[in-house]
Amino acid sequence: AQKVTQAQTEISVVEKEDVTLDCVYETRDTTYYLFWYKQPPSGELVFLIRRNSFDEQNEISGRYSWNFQKSTSSFNFTITASQVVDSAVYFCALSSGTYKYIFGTGTRLKVLA
Amino acid sequence: KAGVTQTPRYLIKTRGQQVTLSCSPISGHRSVSWYQQTPGQGLQFLFEYFSETQRNKGNFPGRFSGRQFSNSRSEMNVSTLELGDSALYLCASSPTVGTIGADTQYFGPGTRLTVL
Repeated sequence: AQKVTQAQTEISVVEKEDVTLDCVYETRDTTYYLFWYKQPPSGELVFLIRRNSFDEQNEISGRYSWNFQKSTSSFNFTITASQVVDSAVYFCALSSGTYKYIFGTGTRLKVLA
Repeated sequence: KAGVTQTPRYLIKTRGQQVTLSCSPISGHRSVSWYQQTPGQGLQFLFEYFSETQRNKGNFPGRFSGRQFSNSRSEMNVSTLELGDSALYLCASSPTVGTIGADTQYFGPGTRLTVL
């Protein structure tokens, strides 16, 4: 079976601090895809990144960066110099040919001014 | 391109009633998926439609059904509503790149259903 674990239920940081959101996954498929989504208070899930299982390169997009490590089955997300607008619930998701889109339970990030 | 739209945004119903929610995908997207989000169960997959056919189904009772039209718009229906059906219902569309599981899903704002 597939599983996504986001052990951090809620994180609070002060503005400008760096924060890392953890995501650990389980799958038996050799080809799979990992995603991060942001859900602000408005409710709509906003796509942030997609990574396939054959591409372990880390990615940086502005203040956001992602660290994918197959050896530890982790796909962690770091926000550098956090801002109040980053406050949201962040979801990690796993998708493959066997299972479509298994979401983690989400991490609520609160960035305090 | 316009994003995924869902109507209505808010809905209040009473137990035993039925409800129909609507989703219009991003233009050109042929796959539509539905999810239920509750504080207790998180995001749970309901079903996926592609080319008017249900391609995947989650673990929900038969009271939950859906369909997709030739223009890719989709509706989901919940019959005999229960209190536990109160949730945010999210619709997502994807372009379907061909490799199963590879699609990026783009979500709508959701319909918040309250069952009294």
